[in-house]
Amino acid sequence: QQPVQSPQAVILREGEDAVINCSSSKALYSVHWYRQKHGEAPIFLMILLKGGEQKGHDKISASFNEKKQQSSLYLTASQLSYSGTYFCGTESKYNTDKLIFGTGTRLQVFP
Amino acid sequence: GAGVSQSPSNKVTEKGKDVELRCDPISGHTALYWYRQRLGQGLEFLIYFQGNSAPDKSGLPSDRFSAERTGESVSTLTIQRTQQEDSAVYLCASSLDRLARSSYNEQFFGPGTRLTVL
Repeated sequence: QQPVQSPQAVILREGEDAVINCSSSKALYSVHWYRQKHGEAPIFLMILLKGGEQKGHDKISASFNEKKQQSSLYLTASQLSYSGTYFCGTESKYNTDKLIFGTGTRLQVFP
Repeated sequence: GAGVSQSPSNKVTEKGKDVELRCDPISGHTALYWYRQRLGQGLEFLIYFQGNSAPDKSGLPSDRFSAERTGESVSTLTIQRTQQEDSAVYLCASSLDRLARSSYNEQFFGPGTRLTVL
């Protein structure tokens, strides 16, 4: 029941774009995205509620397809500071407030 | 203001000993979560407290794990008879009550306790 993220790892040059996908087998109420740098606690990026809305945070945006139970995180013109592991957290329709985190995607941005 | 704090930051113990990990949530946050993160792995849900409701213990891996919360403040996670596979970083997070927030429950994470069982 853990959401599956793809790809598992991404290597980018500064300025390149990337997409991280999150797929769940359960009906979802919301999807959260967090970034965790090595040795640090995860930091909240954004939340997407049902309705297919897109949200943005600087040059990072995301979409949520409730029907497909999928979310995608878009990183545009990546910066060195984007490096870290990205986790999606899903909140099901039947158990809101409890987040089940995905498998994680490790992103490395090189100059 | 102050964020989520956890103590100790590091704990080394011998197999078979009991350990207690502490979490101080952000003041006013009624929801509190514990997660386990093994080296290089994702965040594994352990337990969730929401106000005075019965906690959701569905993620606790065995009966050696237990957690308590005093009202809407401090929480302790206790691991009895520790095993080597318990070695991990234990993260605590807190968030506002759903009724108190506008639309979403951003979780604020503490720095974690790194547990090493020898």
